[in-house]
Amino acid sequence: GAVVSQHPSRVICKSGTSVKIECRSLDFQATTMFWYRQFPKQSLMLMATSNEGSKATYEQGVEKDKFLINHASLTLSTLTVTSAHPEDSSFYICSARVANFETQYFGPGTRLLVL
Amino acid sequence: GQQLNQSPQSMFIQEGEDVSMNCTSSSIFNTWLWYKQDPGEGPVLLIALYKAGELTSNGRLTAQFGITRKDSFLNISASIPSDVGIYFCAGQPAFQGAQKLVFGQGTRLTINP
Repeated sequence: GAVVSQHPSRVICKSGTSVKIECRSLDFQATTMFWYRQFPKQSLMLMATSNEGSKATYEQGVEKDKFLINHASLTLSTLTVTSAHPEDSSFYICSARVANFETQYFGPGTRLLVL
Repeated sequence: GQQLNQSPQSMFIQEGEDVSMNCTSSSIFNTWLWYKQDPGEGPVLLIALYKAGELTSNGRLTAQFGITRKDSFLNISASIPSDVGIYFCAGQPAFQGAQKLVFGQGTRLTINP
């Protein structure tokens, strides 16, 4: 149980385009999902907390207009990188929190490369 | 932001050896979690700890929630090649009021066959 999927697993796009990444909890409902960014050989950096039916809470320094988050259902959250630039290239990972527990289950990640 | 002090940063061991790594904090935590991440993959949950003093095993892995609530350790016994990867500790600080986790910087485990 507690499986989280992400799509796509890898995406290459041109600078200036927008990219949408989906995060789904497959066998449980997640009222809260999280979006992380990870640079090579570094730990995970929390970008935002996504609560179903409400606006996402962004961490300091993360542009909310740049990284649009939508959590329309209990099993799906999306991250849209708008007007992507090469510096947005990174490994993006989502996680879902099991209700009433602080345990987070992570998706397999999405590798974004902006040319 | 708040961080956990995870050590060691890297380990180079022989196959069959035992491994020990730990995380410490200056503040108390309500939950400790240990994850393993393989290259190009998301972290996979190994062990979750919810009570101070709790000792939990998962196969060859054993983790403990420190009695002071400020630390946790993970032990791996009789290491095998598939144990190679990066291990992260994570925890939910007490009194934070939010659902966020704080992560350690990771321990990179390399095993010589």
